[in-house]
Amino acid sequence: NFMLTQPHSVSESPGKTVTISCTRSSGSIASNYVQWYQQRPGSSPTIVIYEDNQRPFGVPDRFSGSIDSSFNSASLTISGLKTEDEGDYHCQSYDSNNVVFGGGTKLTVL
Amino acid sequence: QVQLQESGPGLVKPSQTLSLTCSVSGGSISSGDFLWSWIRQPPGKGLEWIGHIYYSENTYYNPSLKSRVTISIETSKSQFSLKLSSVTAADSAVYYCARVGATLPLLDSWGQGTLVTVSS
Repeated sequence: NFMLTQPHSVSESPGKTVTISCTRSSGSIASNYVQWYQQRPGSSPTIVIYEDNQRPFGVPDRFSGSIDSSFNSASLTISGLKTEDEGDYHCQSYDSNNVVFGGGTKLTVL
Repeated sequence: QVQLQESGPGLVKPSQTLSLTCSVSGGSISSGDFLWSWIRQPPGKGLEWIGHIYYSENTYYNPSLKSRVTISIETSKSQFSLKLSSVTAADSAVYYCARVGATLPLLDSWGQGTLVTVSS
């Protein structure tokens, strides 16, 4: 099985842009789609990006996803940061019948 | 809109078996389009997939927990359940149930989560 590694925390000011990385330890990042979940304090996760770069209905276009095979990583970019974007962000992928989560990144908007 | 709700004891003694149930409403648990999953999150930590089950009772478990986990499903009650044996303090976490796509393993609906503490 592989692991997904995320930074523990990131912080940025309102209105700015932040990018959160998710690096796959083995196997190609392009082999299996990556999803991103937002988890606000005290709440369950909700999906903000699926299939590497697709936004579910209702997720603002300030959220975007991408993969970079040269770094074997996926990224979540949030532009025009708002205080409501604060929370934990988790990347997720899969392999055969196993689901794998990254360790989560705490986003602070200050 | 499908809804999931976890239920079960909030306190379990070390070495005993943790048992939780997830009730599904607003959608069919027998749909071939989805699997039904358990995920946990220790306080202040990340998410850990425990396993999931198909309506046909096919199960898939996290290799690191496989020896202690059993997931079962009761389609007539629209419920699925988790049993985790020989628990220790390291198993203390918020336990979530969720719906997973069968063709693409993304978790599109989650329960609110239930905190389980392992302590004597």
